[in-house]
Amino acid sequence: GAGVSQTPSNKVTEKGKYVELRCDPISGHTALYWYRQSLGQGPEFLIYFQGTGAADDSGLPNDRFFAVRPEGSVSTLKIQRTERGDSAVYLCASSRGLPYNEQFFGPGTRLTVL
Amino acid sequence: TQLLEQSPQFLSIQEGENLTVYCNSSSVFSSLQWYRQEPGEGPVLLVTVVTGGEVKKLKRLTFQFGDARKDSSLHITAAQTGDTGLYLCAGAPDNYGQNFVFGPGTRLSVLP
Repeated sequence: GAGVSQTPSNKVTEKGKYVELRCDPISGHTALYWYRQSLGQGPEFLIYFQGTGAADDSGLPNDRFFAVRPEGSVSTLKIQRTERGDSAVYLCASSRGLPYNEQFFGPGTRLTVL
Repeated sequence: TQLLEQSPQFLSIQEGENLTVYCNSSSVFSSLQWYRQEPGEGPVLLVTVVTGGEVKKLKRLTFQFGDARKDSSLHITAAQTGDTGLYLCAGAPDNYGQNFVFGPGTRLSVLP
């Protein structure tokens, strides 16, 4: 079966631009997570969806970051007015939800802000 | 803020040797997961431990969750070159939240 897919795999943008990163979870997985991973570090939690709703967005660094999951499947992470410090690999994961908690990760989108 | 520390940061060993890597925190977690990540890919789940003192074995890998659910260890017996990668631990908060906390990882190199 298909795993978690993320598009694009690489995104280069200029400071101040708007970007959208897409995540297609495993079919039937109700939970979806976004993480950000900087070089040499572990993933940093951004936001968690259960179905269509953002159940926990405590990891979003500021109001330039926003994520949606309108139909409870595909999710889009949106970053406004990008800054050089936003450069990182953005990872998406999905799971069957509680109590399983077993996250399956996509390959990530490498975002570079020039 | 819950933090996870991992040690060592880097480890280079010969094929056939045994090794242990550690994941420590001052916070209690409801569960702890271990992942392996290879360059250009997302982390892949190896195991989830839930009960304090729990030991799980996955072929040559042995995982232990500390009695107080604040720490964990991963022991590899007779390491192989295919074990090379970044080993990450991740904790689920004690309130069963889903804002997982990841450690910075241990980068393991197994040399032939």
